[in-house]
Amino acid sequence: GAGVSQSPRYKVAKRGQDVALRCDPISGHVSLFWYQQALGQGPEFLTYFQNEAQLDKSGLPSDRFFAERPEGSVSTLKIQRTQQEDSAVYLCASSLEGQGRYNEQFFGPGTRLTVL
Amino acid sequence: GENVEQHPSTLSVQEGDSAVIKCTYSDSASNYFPWYKQELGKRPQLIIDIRSNVGEKKDQRIAVTLNKTAKHFSLHITETQPEDSAVYFCAASQIRTGRRALTFGSGTRLQVQP
Repeated sequence: GAGVSQSPRYKVAKRGQDVALRCDPISGHVSLFWYQQALGQGPEFLTYFQNEAQLDKSGLPSDRFFAERPEGSVSTLKIQRTQQEDSAVYLCASSLEGQGRYNEQFFGPGTRLTVL
Repeated sequence: GENVEQHPSTLSVQEGDSAVIKCTYSDSASNYFPWYKQELGKRPQLIIDIRSNVGEKKDQRIAVTLNKTAKHFSLHITETQPEDSAVYFCAASQIRTGRRALTFGSGTRLQVQP
């Protein structure tokens, strides 16, 4: 079946613009995670959903970042009034909980955001 | 919170040699330790993982060892091949309860010279 998909793959924004990044997890996956990966660094956690419930948003760097997953499948990460320091690759991951290797997180290809 | 340190940051080996990457973690509640391989411009892909009730796990040329007491875990790649060249990340999290999110190390760039 299809893996995790993300759109757009590349996004260029002017400083101050709002952006919305989409994640389509693997069908049936309960958990969904967003990570931010700066150039040359490891991914850093932003937020976590279990179905539609946002259980952990401790990694969101500021109140300009907002994420939702209203129906427990597709998720959107929104960044308001983008700043240059928001430039990074935004990775989405999903995992199937409750059976076997439920902890494995499957990553999407990421959205590369460049803020000018 | 959890802190994962990884070293070396770069590693160059000759084809056929072994490569070892080491990580330490700080939170004794962490009990799940995956390793991801990320090629340039691609998504991270899981190559092996280990849970805290196991000390070692092997999958063909790849093995991971875990020392819970010392809070160390290591990735061992034997008989390296050029296609093993990539950035490798270790990570830690808690399963069943607690923080599900992965805390990643800073990565090791492995170059396998043919």
